Amino acid sequence: DADVTQTPRNRITKTGKRIMLECSQTKGHDRMYWYRQDPGLGLRLIYYSFDVKDINKGEISDGYSVSRQAQAKFSLSLESAIPNQTALYFCATSEPGHTEAFFGQGTRLTVV
Amino acid sequence: EDQVTQSPEALRLQEGESSSLNCSYTVSGLRGLFWYRQDPGKGPEFLFTLYSAGEEKEKERLKATLTKKESFLHITAPKPEDSATYLCAVRPLSYNQGGKLIFGQGTELSVKP
Repeated sequence: DADVTQTPRNRITKTGKRIMLECSQTKGHDRMYWYRQDPGLGLRLIYYSFDVKDINKGEISDGYSVSRQAQAKFSLSLESAIPNQTALYFCATSEPGHTEAFFGQGTRLTVV
Repeated sequence: EDQVTQSPEALRLQEGESSSLNCSYTVSGLRGLFWYRQDPGKGPEFLFTLYSAGEEKEKERLKATLTKKESFLHITAPKPEDSATYLCAVRPLSYNQGGKLIFGQGTELSVKP
């Protein structure tokens, strides 16, 4: 089983619908992140959480919200999906300090 | 503004043809520079971390180097299985509590047999 698991892997939704992307991890890391990947733009940070009580906005948080249900679970919600939120979404975890991040397999979201 | 730029955007090599990928960065201070490999439809997979100018790391056919302004990922005698997108990311000192990464756009490497 993967250390960082994202569900669903693929999702097509309609404009205006609320959708939740889920992430769970078995690495025991306190820090979790949500990134978005678009062609030509690289990975951009949406939200990050350093522990259950500490949630912070990233560079592109507008239109998104998150919930840290437990140390191992971090969910990303699109309250009212719009077509320009069509992208590949990645959850990641890391340990404190100057360490690398570990990524999930991604969720491909299409908003029509 | 903290920024990471990778070049070239795409690189096609013949098997065995060595080359280098570039990652230029502009940050107020560097906590670390990271290289990842990403296969189609998958999440980025960690390769290397570099912390200070002059540092080098190697793994099989890959070697990463770091200067004060850029990093190179050298690929020696590549094989078709090295085909992937290679991502560079930096963690600036300005991110006080660490953790966050700024990514470049990636270099898509294709190695033909």
